Amino acid sequence: SQQGEEDPQALSIQEGENATMNCSYKTSINNLQWYRQNSGRGLVHLILIRSNEREKHSGRLRVTLDTSKKSSSLLITASRAADTASYFCAPPQGGSEKLVFGKGTKLTVNP
Amino acid sequence: GAGVSQSPSNKVTEKGKDVELRCDPISGHTALYWYRQSLGQGLEFLIYFQGNSAPDKSGLPSDRFSAERTGGSVSTLTIQRTQQEDSAVYLCASSVKDRVHNEQFFGPGTRLTVL
Repeated sequence: SQQGEEDPQALSIQEGENATMNCSYKTSINNLQWYRQNSGRGLVHLILIRSNEREKHSGRLRVTLDTSKKSSSLLITASRAADTASYFCAPPQGGSEKLVFGKGTKLTVNP
Repeated sequence: GAGVSQSPSNKVTEKGKDVELRCDPISGHTALYWYRQSLGQGLEFLIYFQGNSAPDKSGLPSDRFSAERTGGSVSTLTIQRTQQEDSAVYLCASSVKDRVHNEQFFGPGTRLTVL
């Protein structure tokens, strides 16, 4: 089944540095979403990128999508301690509304 | 309006007891999803509702798990004869009428502990 797999599993950086997280998936998609989760509770939608887009920006976030490689990346620039969280990519399964989440990347931003 | 709410926020129960978890989606959201997240793991899809019907129940781990949705709004996830392996955070999400690009809005989750 379709699944987003994030890499690395954990990332620790200093405040002000950039953080890059990668996602790979298995089958063709029409869009891909990134979510953030604090402290093992509810997820918050960050950004959606469509299959015909190569790059998208939202504030300090930059998402890329390479459909030929079935991969996406999330870049957080000028990181802050408040960015500490787990980040998940969520490609849809087939043409359904069902999103399939991986285990996420646990980002720690040290002050 | 208000976001997705879930109750209770925490539930501790004894093995073998039944539990009911409740989800109130965002008003007007016709799609509702239940997920389970074990410690340090990703989200495991359980069931999806469109209105009151559940076109995808493929993630329910056993027949001890069931869910219903009434009035196209509130949903209840019921776990019968709970087992210790059922301990997890149960997350509910809702989205607007299904479309290609559906952003899901998540509730805060219910942390279930089965002793």
